[in-house]
Parts: sequence; structure tokens; C-alpha cells
Amino acid sequence: AQKVTQAQTEISVVEKEDVTLDCVYETRDTTYYLFWYKQPPSGELVFLIRRNSFDEQNEISGRYSWNFQKSTSSFNFTITASQVVDSAVYFCALSEEGYGGATNKLIFGTGTLLAVQP
Amino acid sequence: SAVISQKPSRDICQRGTSLTIQCQVDSQVTMMFWYRQQPGQSLTLIATANQGSEATYESGFVIDKFPISRPNLTFSTLTVSNMSPEDSSIYLCSVSGYSYEQYFGPGTRLTVT
Repeated sequence: AQKVTQAQTEISVVEKEDVTLDCVYETRDTTYYLFWYKQPPSGELVFLIRRNSFDEQNEISGRYSWNFQKSTSSFNFTITASQVVDSAVYFCALSEEGYGGATNKLIFGTGTLLAVQP
Repeated sequence: SAVISQKPSRDICQRGTSLTIQCQVDSQVTMMFWYRQQPGQSLTLIATANQGSEATYESGFVIDKFPISRPNLTFSTLTVSNMSPEDSSIYLCSVSGYSYEQYFGPGTRLTVT
């Protein structure tokens, strides 16, 4: 069965600190997709990144970076030099390839609340 | 990415009544999804809505409680029927992008009193 675990419920850091949000997933499929979403206090879900199971390259986008390791079934997210605007709930999610290659439902982790203090 | 709007953005409803939530997308999409996010919780998929066919419901969700319509490729509605306080949640619709990512609407915050 598919499952996404975000063991960190809440993290509090001081501005400019680096922070890593952990995500561990379970799936029996060989083709799957992993995602990170940000949900600021306003409530909308903001898409951050998608990774497919065949691409283990790490990715960097500005202050954000992602580390995908199939050997440990992890897809961790690091924010470098955190800022107050990074305060939000961050969700990791998993999707398995559905019929015809179309995307299937997203299985979300429980989320990590990141509070960045000034 | 798709631009998704939802109506209403929020509502306060009385127990026993029903509310229909609308989701409009600015482009044609095959699959639309409806999620529920209970207070302080993660998102749970309610159903997948494909145009021209019945919605597919996840375990724990039934059509009588959450009827869904999908009349065309840019629009869908979710009705929350015979509401109780336990239905107080944020309801979000989402659509699939070409690269398997999903984009979400702004959500409808429902409070049932």
C-alpha cells in the first residue's frame, strides 16, 4: 500500500538557518512520482517540485533543494538560509502511475509545520 | 500551470443543509480531483471526476453524501449533503498537469454549525 510519512510535525528555526524536512514513502510500483507542496497560512497549496522514480538527480532551485534516494525511500527537502516567508505547512505527496499513464491520486503525508522566527 | 477558481471561498452552513462547491479551470483537463482537508490535518482524496463518466469515490466517501458533477472538461461541482459539524473542512479541487503534477484551487472553507 502507498504511504507517505513526515515524521516531523513541527519545526521552529531562526531566520537564516538551514532546515531539512524529511519525507519517507512506501510504494510497490516501480513508476511513481513524488511531490512537495507548500501551504502558507492563507491556505492555498503551492506546487514546488515533482520527481519521477527514474530520476534520482538532486535538484536545486534557489534556496530550495531536494534529495531523492530510492535506496532509503526518502525525498527530503532543504531550505537554505530560511526566511520568515518560508513559514508554512509543507506536504510531501506520492502518486503512482495510473491507467494510460495519466496521473493518479495524490497520497499526502501529514505535513510539517515550519515556523521561521525573525 | 492551470488557473483554478472555486466558489464559494467560504461559507457557514447549518446542520442538515447541503452546499454545492464549484470548480472552474481555465483550460480543458481530463481528470479533476476533489480533496478534503479537515482542521489541522492533511489532505484526503474524496473522488476523481472524469468528464462523461461517474465519479470514482475513495474508501469512506459515498455518492449520496458527496455527489459530484462533471458536465464538461473545465468545470465540476461537489455537493456536501446533509451536513454535520464533522463536515467542517477545507474542500479543494485539483487538476492534473502535463507533467503529472497537480494544481489546486484556492479551496472552500466550510463551517457547519
